[in-house]
Amino acid sequence: KNEVEQSPQNLTAQEGEFITINCSYSVGISALHWLQQHPGGGIVSLFMLSSGKKKHGRLIATINIQEKHSSLHITASHPRDSAVYICASANRDDKIIFGKGTRLHILP
Amino acid sequence: DVKVTQSSRYLVKRTGEKVFLECVQDMDHENMFWYRQDPGLGLRLIYFSYDVKMKEKGDIPEGYSVSREKKERFSLILESASTNQTSMYLCASTDTGVAYEQYFGPGTRLTVT
Repeated sequence: KNEVEQSPQNLTAQEGEFITINCSYSVGISALHWLQQHPGGGIVSLFMLSSGKKKHGRLIATINIQEKHSSLHITASHPRDSAVYICASANRDDKIIFGKGTRLHILP
Repeated sequence: DVKVTQSSRYLVKRTGEKVFLECVQDMDHENMFWYRQDPGLGLRLIYFSYDVKMKEKGDIPEGYSVSREKKERFSLILESASTNQTSMYLCASTDTGVAYEQYFGPGTRLTVT
């Protein structure tokens, strides 16, 4: 059974800091998703990746298939980045497993 | 721009009531999902559907049923609401499979009293 673990659970940082959120999973997957959830509930897909690295603005996602690990980085963090970040693994049997999320708070 | 809409943002119902939550997507996606989200537990899959009139149980289907009569619409039904079904309910859709980008609705916060 695949387990998806995220760390840290909570993270508070100052505006401008470089942020890293980690995600590890236990079985082979077909894709790894990073999602963002703002207060109020709406979830937005940030990245979907199966290898290497993707970048969108100040956000960077990487995945290491051999180590079963992915990271989400935020450069020059801003208070509007405050949200819950969720990673989810899409398994080869077409099931999706979600991590419990990392609550990020960026202080001005 | 994909839109997934849910019938209500907030809902308050009494124990024992039958509750309908509706989800509509406008991108002709094959797959639709219902999740519930609770503090400390993350998102958990209740039911999903990969085609009209088709449905599959997720991880926590007890106390719920679903209906998909049209491709764009996926309904979640609580046959007899109970207080332990107080939660945030999120609908999502995706093209073909979970390895594809999931599009989420805004969520329905349901309170059962």
